[in-house]
Amino acid sequence: DTAVSQTPKYLVTQMGNDKSIKCEQNLGHDTMYWYKQDSKKFLKIMFSYNNKELIINETVPNRFSPKSPDKAHLNLHINSLELGDSAVYFCASSPTGGQPQHFGDGTRLSIL
Amino acid sequence: AQTVTQSQPEMSVQEAETVTLSCTYDTSESDYYLFWYKQPPSRQMILVIRQEAYKQQNATENRFSVNFQKAAKSFSLKISDSQLGDAAMYFCAYRRASGGSNYKLTFGKGTLLTVNP
Repeated sequence: DTAVSQTPKYLVTQMGNDKSIKCEQNLGHDTMYWYKQDSKKFLKIMFSYNNKELIINETVPNRFSPKSPDKAHLNLHINSLELGDSAVYFCASSPTGGQPQHFGDGTRLSIL
Repeated sequence: AQTVTQSQPEMSVQEAETVTLSCTYDTSESDYYLFWYKQPPSRQMILVIRQEAYKQQNATENRFSVNFQKAAKSFSLKISDSQLGDAAMYFCAYRRASGGSNYKLTFGKGTLLTVNP
């Protein structure tokens, strides 16, 4: 029944490793997003995809690579993890028009 | 670029009392959407209320209501009859209404609300 689901919920890893976070939505929405919430709780857009096409890339380092195999999925792969990547990453989705975004429960990424 | 400002990093309220959280924003657009999201300690992002800029009537959802002042670019959230479960971080967010598929949310820095029994 979960509308937007992210896995894993927690990710603890070493600096320099590569990791992926998966996101799936069963709401039939056309647009999906990745947001980053830093240690001060500030939320900022990273990427947005509409029908598998990248439409927003907010000056995110190219170590971050989103991939959308279909409009229900948007995964985030991060290469060469750095200490500053520690944050909570939220996936969200929305239909076209003015409807609000639905968020996943977030993935807490901790870099040791 | 649009910006959203929440000038109150923290607020507290007594249970059953009323509290108002402030939000101002800056935009050159005439049509847009404004939202309040709630983030409890569980870290979920929960939509509280939504306002469409072209609607003059203030949105209400049960104990939650907004005071939308378009000319002043102000969008405050009023919580009536506060309950312990209202304790959370509250985020004000802006979204443009047009622009292809660019529906990203721009968030304020949040207000941490404490509810005292």
